[in-house]
Amino acid sequence: DAGVIQSPRHEVTEMGQEVTLRCKPISGHDYLFWYRQTMMRGLELLIYFNNNVPIDDSGMPEDRFSAKMPNASFSTLKIQPSEPRDSAVYFCASGPLGVQYFGAGTRLSVL
Amino acid sequence: GEDVEQSLFLSVREGDSSVINCTYTDSSSTYLYWYKQEPGAGLQLLTYIFSNMDMKQDQRLTVLLNKKDKHLSLRIADTQTGDSAIYFCAEYYNNNDMRFGAGTRLTVKP
Repeated sequence: DAGVIQSPRHEVTEMGQEVTLRCKPISGHDYLFWYRQTMMRGLELLIYFNNNVPIDDSGMPEDRFSAKMPNASFSTLKIQPSEPRDSAVYFCASGPLGVQYFGAGTRLSVL
Repeated sequence: GEDVEQSLFLSVREGDSSVINCTYTDSSSTYLYWYKQEPGAGLQLLTYIFSNMDMKQDQRLTVLLNKKDKHLSLRIADTQTGDSAIYFCAEYYNNNDMRFGAGTRLTVKP
């Protein structure tokens, strides 16, 4: 298996623009997670899905952030409108219950 | 405390053993993990241990668990320059909640 695949690897955008991050989990994994990593706050869980259903979105910072999982092989994290403080590395992870495997991340820079 | 705690930095010489320590928060945590993050990469699952074990060995890696003190350690034998990375301790404690430490940056000097 190729592992968790995220795209794009790098995204540079201007404040106010919409940003969409994509994730393909490992086939057969029931759980999918979105994390954000910054120097100041470390690794933060934003939201996770079980069998495509959002279970806990309490980590989503505000209404500008939304996540979807239309099927078992694809998820998106959208930020609209983006702000400079959203600059971070965003990770997607998938796994069976109790274990998480991470993608390589998307480095987002909002200017 | 409420946080998974780790030292932020560790520096060792090539060939020495490295020991990275972690204190976790919940005595009922069922799994405890060590992840490795190299520059520009995601977190790579290195190893994990069930809470009913007190030791796990996998090649150069040894994980020790002290449930009474909620202390987890990762020992890397014969540390190599390729082991330089950030190591994250994590606990799985409730309904798929995972809590990560801030990470320990291991520097291996030749």
